[in-house]
Formats: sequence, structure tokens, C-alpha cells
Amino acid sequence: EAGVAQSPRYKIIEKRQSVAFWCNPISGHATLYWYQQILGQGPKLLIQFQNNGVVDDSQLPKDRFSAERLKGVDSTLKIQPAKLEDSAVYLCASRGLRDSTDTQYFGPGTRLTVL
Amino acid sequence: GNSVTQMEGPVTLSEEAFLTINCTYTATGYPSLFWYVQYPGEGLQLLLKATKADDKGSNKGFEATYRKETTSFHLEKGSVQVSDSAVYFCALSPNTGGFKTIFGAGTRLFVKA
Repeated sequence: EAGVAQSPRYKIIEKRQSVAFWCNPISGHATLYWYQQILGQGPKLLIQFQNNGVVDDSQLPKDRFSAERLKGVDSTLKIQPAKLEDSAVYLCASRGLRDSTDTQYFGPGTRLTVL
Repeated sequence: GNSVTQMEGPVTLSEEAFLTINCTYTATGYPSLFWYVQYPGEGLQLLLKATKADDKGSNKGFEATYRKETTSFHLEKGSVQVSDSAVYFCALSPNTGGFKTIFGAGTRLFVKA
């Protein structure tokens, strides 16, 4: 089965610019997560979707970050405007309904550099 | 609140050496525990997991035992290979609500030939 797809793999922008990341989860996975992984740290959850509804966005900086999953399949994460401290790897993960525990499958990530 | 603490790296070992990466956690209730591995340039992969006390997760020669009395989930491997060089993340999921996963900071392992 195909894994979690993300694009682009790398992005370099200047501060105050906008950027968007795309994620396509494993087919049939209802739960989708976006994580931010700053260099030298573990991933931090930004937002979690169950189908097209938001389950948890408590750590999403809503003044500049937004995410959507309109049809309950793929998802986009946007940053507008970007700051230097947003430089990180943005990971998308998905989880299937049959998993009674949280086994998440991760995509390769998008490495964002803000100059 | 829930948190995970793992030993700082980098850890540098020679091939065939014994590996231990310590992980302790703080959580309410009975979380599930995980080890994820991140190879250079790749996303995180689930390495092993344990869902209840005294469970042992194992995969690819790695193993970890869920110790509730010491709130620990240490990762071990008897004989490491160069190909094991990666960053290892300990994580927990409270198994409630949205199954949010909390990760440790990661431990980088270098294995020399």
C-alpha cells in the first residue's frame, strides 16, 4: 500500500512570505496529523483532523498558521506570513480506524527554511 | 501533564556493541509507548510499541519493555550495525481522546564500522 505523500520536499522562502504544504494520507485513513519538528527536537503536534473535522488544534499558532482537509482526504497546511522561527520540518501522519492504539504512519516531511 | 524524557545524544558505538537508549515518561492512566526511528532524509517509522505494563515490543533486533513501576521504556539491541545509525524517538499516547502522541527530543545514534 502506498505511504503518506507530502510535497514539496524542500522549500526556501523569505520572512513575511506565504507558503503551503500538501499531504495525502494512506488511503482510508480517517485521522490526519500535522507536526512541526524543529532541528534537534521531537515532533510537536500542530493539528489533528478526524475526517474533515478538527480534533485538536491547541498548539497551532492561529494568527499565522491554517490547515484544512475539506473532503476528508488530503490536507494543506499554510503559513502566512512566515517568521524565521518557522524553519523546521513539517511532518504529516495518518492513522487508520482499525488501530486501537495510536500507530501513526509518517510522510517524508517538508523541510522549510525561512531566510 | 504528559511528557517523555530520553537520554541526550549523540551516542557513538562500534559495530556489534550493545545499545541502550533510556526513556522515561510521565503520564496519567495507562498510555501506549512507542519507539520511532528516523533515518537520514526520511520520515519517522514506527520501530516497536507496547500497550500495557510488562509488554515487550520487539522488531529488527531491537526491544523495549514497558515498566510501569519505573515509568520507563528503554530501547536495547544486543549488536548494532552501521545501518542502525539514525535518530530514535521515544513517544507515548494517552489512549484517550484523539490519541495525541507526545515525542521525546530524540537520540542520535552513530555506529562506526
